[in-house]
Amino acid sequence: KAGVTQTPRYLIKTRGQQVTLSCSPISGHRSVSWYQQTPGQGLQFLFEYFSETQRNKGNFPGRFSGRQFSNSRSEMNVSTLELGDSALYLCASRQTAGKIRNEQYFGPGTRLTVT
Amino acid sequence: ILNVEQSPQSLHVQEGDSTNFTCSFPSSNFYALHWYRWETAKSPEALFVMTLNGDEKKKGRISATLNTKEGYSYLYIKGSQPEDSATYLCALWGGGGGGADGLTFGKGTHLIIQP
Repeated sequence: KAGVTQTPRYLIKTRGQQVTLSCSPISGHRSVSWYQQTPGQGLQFLFEYFSETQRNKGNFPGRFSGRQFSNSRSEMNVSTLELGDSALYLCASRQTAGKIRNEQYFGPGTRLTVT
Repeated sequence: ILNVEQSPQSLHVQEGDSTNFTCSFPSSNFYALHWYRWETAKSPEALFVMTLNGDEKKKGRISATLNTKEGYSYLYIKGSQPEDSATYLCALWGGGGGGADGLTFGKGTHLIIQP
């Protein structure tokens, strides 16, 4: 079974621009979560989508948004990029969105650099 | 906001030695605790999902215990091997506050196995 894939793997953008990252979950997984990893803050939860609906959202500004398509693929968008948005963005999929026993399977990440 | 603490921050262990490290969390609002292993240049890999007080899980030379009443989990590695070198992350579901209800990660224990 193919794992979680993310595109692109690396991206360089300029402050003020916007960016869209893509995540394809494991086949059959309907939940996709997004995380930001920075050296100072560690892995932080951005949001989770299940069946095309945002179920949970972390404490990030409205510049960070996402969506999920009917095939469970998800995109994350960051508008008006700031230098502090430079980070590794990971997505993770799981079968359902229940809180308890679901393992998450992570993709390789997209490394975003904002200059 | 849920606070997940991991200690130590980093650890150097001789090959063949056994080691353990700790994940601490507030004992209220507990749903599930996840352990992940994150090797450099790879995706985080799920090790265990633990939900019940007193849970013990084992995978090969790695095991984990959970005490939800006192708010901690231990991860043990028996007979460390160079391939065990990685960052070990624990994460909790729920209780993020501010509407955030995804996984809250600790900052990890960076384990280096010295031959």
